[in-house]
Amino acid sequence: GAVVSQHPSWVICKSGTSVKIECRSLDFQATTMFWYRQFPKQSLMLMATSNEGSKATYEQGVEKDKFLINHASLTLSTLTVTSAHPEDSSFYICSAVWGSGYNEQFFGPGTRLTVL
Amino acid sequence: QKEVEQDPGPLSVPEGAIVSLNCTYSNSAFQYFMWYRQYSRKGPELLMYTYSSGNKEDGRFTAQVDKSSKYISLFIRDSQPSDSATYLCAIGGYQKVTFGIGTKLQVIP
Repeated sequence: GAVVSQHPSWVICKSGTSVKIECRSLDFQATTMFWYRQFPKQSLMLMATSNEGSKATYEQGVEKDKFLINHASLTLSTLTVTSAHPEDSSFYICSAVWGSGYNEQFFGPGTRLTVL
Repeated sequence: QKEVEQDPGPLSVPEGAIVSLNCTYSNSAFQYFMWYRQYSRKGPELLMYTYSSGNKEDGRFTAQVDKSSKYISLFIRDSQPSDSATYLCAIGGYQKVTFGIGTKLQVIP
């Protein structure tokens, strides 16, 4: 299967700082990337959908000014958590799709963010 | 009502047992159905993927979809300790996938 990587795999930061998470499709060009968040004992919740070269589409309740998504190329999307607070501590997972419609999503390994 | 309902467990079974995992969903517009396995602190990995009602088998895994009842199942035969993980059902429409909460499975040697 296709490989998606995330960096960093974990990060600890102070409250008020910003953190950038990278998602890369290593062996295919991802027309669409998705960002999910998973709190302990909860399901993956879609945060936003990003298509290369266009603005991300955010799910209801997700602050677009707090979670900045950039999808500058077909192999890289970044999620920046701005002015992070302890309640932003979570497991952030990206996925990538080649093509459109019903194609399989390939997931990255996730990034554990802890905000102190 | 949640779009996808899944019992979080945990579910403990002895090695070699047949495991049955289930989800129900509410939106009949969903088009495709998946099961993911997620190990602790890792991203989910796809196990099974199907569009239609009926059964789909892959090795020790069988996925079953009943669109009329909006009910999907995953069966694991001859369960192994390495199957211990959280299993998430996922149901999809156009470019959007909704996940269940995941059922934590422990297979005891």
